[in-house]
Amino acid sequence: QQQVKQSPQSLIVQKGGISIINCAYENTAFDYFPWYQQFPGKGPALLIAIRPDVSEKKEGRFTISFNKSAKQFSLHIMDSQPGDSATYFCAASMRGGNTPLVFGKGTRLSVIA
Amino acid sequence: EAGVAQSPRYKIIEKRQSVAFWCNPISGHATLYWYQQILGQGPKLLIQFQNNGVVDDSQLPKDRFSAERLKGVDSTLKIQPAKLEDSAVYLCASSLIGQGLQETQYFGPGTRLLVL
Repeated sequence: QQQVKQSPQSLIVQKGGISIINCAYENTAFDYFPWYQQFPGKGPALLIAIRPDVSEKKEGRFTISFNKSAKQFSLHIMDSQPGDSATYFCAASMRGGNTPLVFGKGTRLSVIA
Repeated sequence: EAGVAQSPRYKIIEKRQSVAFWCNPISGHATLYWYQQILGQGPKLLIQFQNNGVVDDSQLPKDRFSAERLKGVDSTLKIQPAKLEDSAVYLCASSLIGQGLQETQYFGPGTRLLVL
């Protein structure tokens, strides 16, 4: 019940295309869903996050779509650029604040010109 | 604002040896986490501190791993003795105290450990 399942494991997208990464969870106590971006040799960095009271959140080229009934959420990267090439992790945590994040296994994104 | 600092960045040891990692969180951040990230997987929590008290260490292999956070600032994570399966990146993260809200966790660059 603590798992967050992420797919695909790897993704290759043409420059200018849309990258889509999906995650699913089981634990209905999760109420915070961030996406982290990690470049080689670096720690994960928060990209965008959503709470279940909204179905979508957009920040620049990055959008999270959230489906509470299906217990799924996804990251869309519009106009993907070579600089977006990184590993992306979805995560979830429970109510109460400052609770540990449960991470998906990650998606390695490669944006090719 | 300085980020989360970790050292060393890389460490190679023989199995059964001991090793220690150090973390300095962002100034003013009361909550500190240690995560283990095995190659090809997402980070997994080992231990969470609130100031200098342990909040969650349920996934810490206590027979070989130990951690402390003296004075509620810096933290050290120790492995003794190391096993081959401990080869991973050890990430330290910190966050402010939330008022029932999830605070952003800021990660350091990690320490890459290779056990031979």
